[in-house]
Amino acid sequence: GQQLNQSPQSMFIQEGEDVSMNCTSSSIFNTWLWYKQDPGEGPVLLIALYKAGELTSNGRLTAQFGITRKDSFLNISASIPSDVGIYFCAGQPGTASKLTFGTGTRLQVTL
Amino acid sequence: GAVVSQHPSWVICKSGTSVKIECRSLDFQATTMFWYRQFPKQSLMLMATSNEGSKATYEQGVEKDKFLINHASLTLSTLTVTSAHPEDSSFYICSASTGQEMNTEAFFGQGTRLTVV
Repeated sequence: GQQLNQSPQSMFIQEGEDVSMNCTSSSIFNTWLWYKQDPGEGPVLLIALYKAGELTSNGRLTAQFGITRKDSFLNISASIPSDVGIYFCAGQPGTASKLTFGTGTRLQVTL
Repeated sequence: GAVVSQHPSWVICKSGTSVKIECRSLDFQATTMFWYRQFPKQSLMLMATSNEGSKATYEQGVEKDKFLINHASLTLSTLTVTSAHPEDSSFYICSASTGQEMNTEAFFGQGTRLTVV
């Protein structure tokens, strides 16, 4: 099945640093979502974006819906150890339709 | 947020046997449920979409006779892996959505790790 291209694949950063990851697609999505998955758990929604150009924040997290509707990025500021995990973007073409997930970004935070 | 519960969290079964995984929406009615499979260090891949009271829609390459999906009520969907083989070992995750409003969020279960020996 289709997957979204997500980069970087993995990141090793120090506590306190900012993090940026992005997701690109060859097709248009009407909704972009960002999830975090801890080992052995299901993904948890971090931010949902519903409008092209939209910039949304959730605490230390900020995400943007690309103006072309084919990309999105997620920034994490002042990273902390509990930010460790795998971050997935997901695109949704329409209302309540199935999600296409990105390839994931594995984040490691060192003290 | 809404709660989706999967059971069991993990299961080990012998090759050739069948395994049933349950997905329940605990505090809302889920018109639509989705089943995903995730292999180690890989992303989630959609297997099928099920709507309450109708047959599931399977993604290309997913065998509907091997992965039986039943969505008999608005709060329960089940995935049965029939005649399981070691290559079916994976992390299976469901999500549930009310599917009735714009920008409806889908809530994920905690996943079920299946190991076939």
